[in-house]
Amino acid sequence: EAGVAQSPRYKIIEKRQSVAFWCNPISGHATLYWYQQILGQGPKLLIQFQNNGVVDDSQLPKDRFSAERLKGVDSTLKIQPAKLEDSAVYLCASSLGPSGELFFGEGSRLTVL
Amino acid sequence: QQQVKQSPQSLIVQKGGISIINCAYENTAFDYFPWYQQFPGKGPALLIAIRPDVSEKKEGRFTISFNKSAKQFSLHIMDSQPGDSATYFCAAWTYKYIFGTGTRLKVLA
Repeated sequence: EAGVAQSPRYKIIEKRQSVAFWCNPISGHATLYWYQQILGQGPKLLIQFQNNGVVDDSQLPKDRFSAERLKGVDSTLKIQPAKLEDSAVYLCASSLGPSGELFFGEGSRLTVL
Repeated sequence: QQQVKQSPQSLIVQKGGISIINCAYENTAFDYFPWYQQFPGKGPALLIAIRPDVSEKKEGRFTISFNKSAKQFSLHIMDSQPGDSATYFCAAWTYKYIFGTGTRLKVLA
């Protein structure tokens, strides 16, 4: 069974530029999550989708971050404009349901210069 | 109240030794407590998990001990091996997962 796919794996941008990350969850997983993992910290939930609806985006900085999940499958996380403090690994995860086991992708490492 | 406090931040253990990582929480609504293992450059992967109706769960060399009254749970890695060197995160779930800050474990050969 294929795991959670993410791209790109690495991205380096200047501050104030924009960036987009893509995630393809495990087939059949209704719940999709984006987490931000800053070096030395645990993953912090940015947004949770159930199918193509948003369940929780309380910690998403909505002035610069946006996310969508088209047709309840793939998802894109966008940052515009990026700040230095956005440097982190962005992890996508999926689960069968809201309380199911999380399956993480390998992450997208963002460096903002 | 939504925090999960994890300690220690880093841990060095000799091969064959016991690694112990502790977590504490405040929110009594949490009802599922997983541990995740993360290797460099990889996403976290579920290692073992427990629900609060049991005090201990063992899977191979990995054991979770759960103390509901103290609102604490811990991961014990018996006979630690160099391949166990990774970062370990505890987590707690109510309507969403809350992760601890991680423990970087290094097992010396």
